[in-house]
Amino acid sequence: QKEVEQNSGPLSVPEGAIASLNCTYSDRGSQSFFWYRQYSGKSPELIMFIYSNGDKEDGRFTAQLNKASQYVSLLIRDSQPSDSATYLCAVNNYGQNFVFGPGTRLSVLP
Amino acid sequence: DTEVTQTPKHLVMGMTNKKSLKCEQHMGHRAMYWYKQKAKKPPELMFVYSYEKLSINESVPSRFSPECPNSSLLNLHLHALQPEDSALYLCASSQVRGPGGPSEAFFGQGTRLTVV
Repeated sequence: QKEVEQNSGPLSVPEGAIASLNCTYSDRGSQSFFWYRQYSGKSPELIMFIYSNGDKEDGRFTAQLNKASQYVSLLIRDSQPSDSATYLCAVNNYGQNFVFGPGTRLSVLP
Repeated sequence: DTEVTQTPKHLVMGMTNKKSLKCEQHMGHRAMYWYKQKAKKPPELMFVYSYEKLSINESVPSRFSPECPNSSLLNLHLHALQPEDSALYLCASSQVRGPGGPSEAFFGQGTRLTVV
C-alpha cells in the first residue's frame, strides 16, 4: 500500500464549477497535511495546509481533513482555466519529512 | 518573503564532472530539503537537514553529497552521475514545529539537471 494515494486523473471540470480533489494516506500517526499546485515545468507552489479535523477555507480553496478516515480533500470553487495544473497532496508522517502523493491532473475547460 | 533561491536553473554535466547545486533561504527556517523529480512523477525526498544536521537520508547513492554550511544555505554536490540522474532537483525549507511535524514547506524554482 502506497503511503499517500490520489486519483491520477485527469479530472476535467467546466469553468465556474467546483473541482474536488481527494487524497488518502496510510499512516494514522500523520500530523500535517498540505496541498501543492504544480504547473508543467515549474516547482510546487503551496496552496493550503491543514492540521486539525474539519474544514479550512482560503479564498476559493477549502481543505477538508478527516483523520478517522485518513482522508484529506481540496475543493476549488469557481474553477478557472488558470487552475489547470497537477495538484499534489503531501503528508508529514515522521520527523521533518513530506511524502507526496502521485498528484491529480486537473483540467478546467473554458 | 517566502522565497527559496536555487542556482543554477539549468545544468548540463558529463558523467565524469563534479558540480554543485546551491539553495538559499532567508525565512529563518531550520529545516531544509532536497527532492528529486522526474517527469510526470511526484517529488521524491532525498535528504533533510534539521538545525543544520542531516536528519534523513533516503538511501541516496553516494554520488550525491549534501552539505548544510549554515542555517540559510544548502548544497548538493554531484560527482560521477549517470544519465538516469537527469531530473528536476528541488530545494525546500520549512519551520520545525516539533512533535507536530514541520510547518508548510516552500520550494525553490528547481535546477533542471541533464547528465550526458
